[in-house]
Amino acid sequence: RKEVEQDPGPFNVPEGATVAFNCTYSNSASQSFFWYRQDCRKEPKLLMSVYSSGNEDGRFTAQLNRASQYISLLIRDSKLSDSATYLCVVELIWGLGTSLAVNP
Amino acid sequence: GAVVSQHPSWVICKSGTSVKIECRSLDFQATTMFWYRQFPKQSLMLMATSNEGSKATYEQGVEKDKFLINHASLTLSTLTVTSAHPEDSSFYICSARVGLLGQYFGPGTRLTVT
Repeated sequence: RKEVEQDPGPFNVPEGATVAFNCTYSNSASQSFFWYRQDCRKEPKLLMSVYSSGNEDGRFTAQLNRASQYISLLIRDSKLSDSATYLCVVELIWGLGTSLAVNP
Repeated sequence: GAVVSQHPSWVICKSGTSVKIECRSLDFQATTMFWYRQFPKQSLMLMATSNEGSKATYEQGVEKDKFLINHASLTLSTLTVTSAHPEDSSFYICSARVGLLGQYFGPGTRLTVT
């Protein structure tokens, strides 16, 4: 089992849709979790940390499920500008990313 | 937010030469910086952790004599790719740890070795 796994997608959704990504991790002792977004040929940008209690930032909600060892990212009312690759990071280990394309 | 710069943004060099990449934290001090490499369609791979004033910690499989890291100040870390070969062509990205907020990344350096 890979240390951090993500569904590569691509996810193609219409504008306004709600989309969710999961990221599973193998190390049950992991303490830090983050979601990043990366646009093509650009550096990753921190989207949000993931806290045990779950956290929300505008249209984005991140959750942690320690029992099942996964984190999730929910994007509501998706915009064209949300099209990117979403990367999860557990400790310093990166997933391969999930590609999202929001279509008009 | 925190800003990290990287220089150069892209470089083309001949096989056998050395290339130095600089990573600077512009508005904060970074005791810990990270160097990553990303090949096309692959994930970021951590190469090494750079700690100010001490030796870098390299990940398994990364040659410390080939990828020289120097973190001489709280705002600057450098990565030197020595005796570069075409297989070293990649996107090199540095980041600086910012407390519990995760990492802020530089814009990356695209290295092409011919």
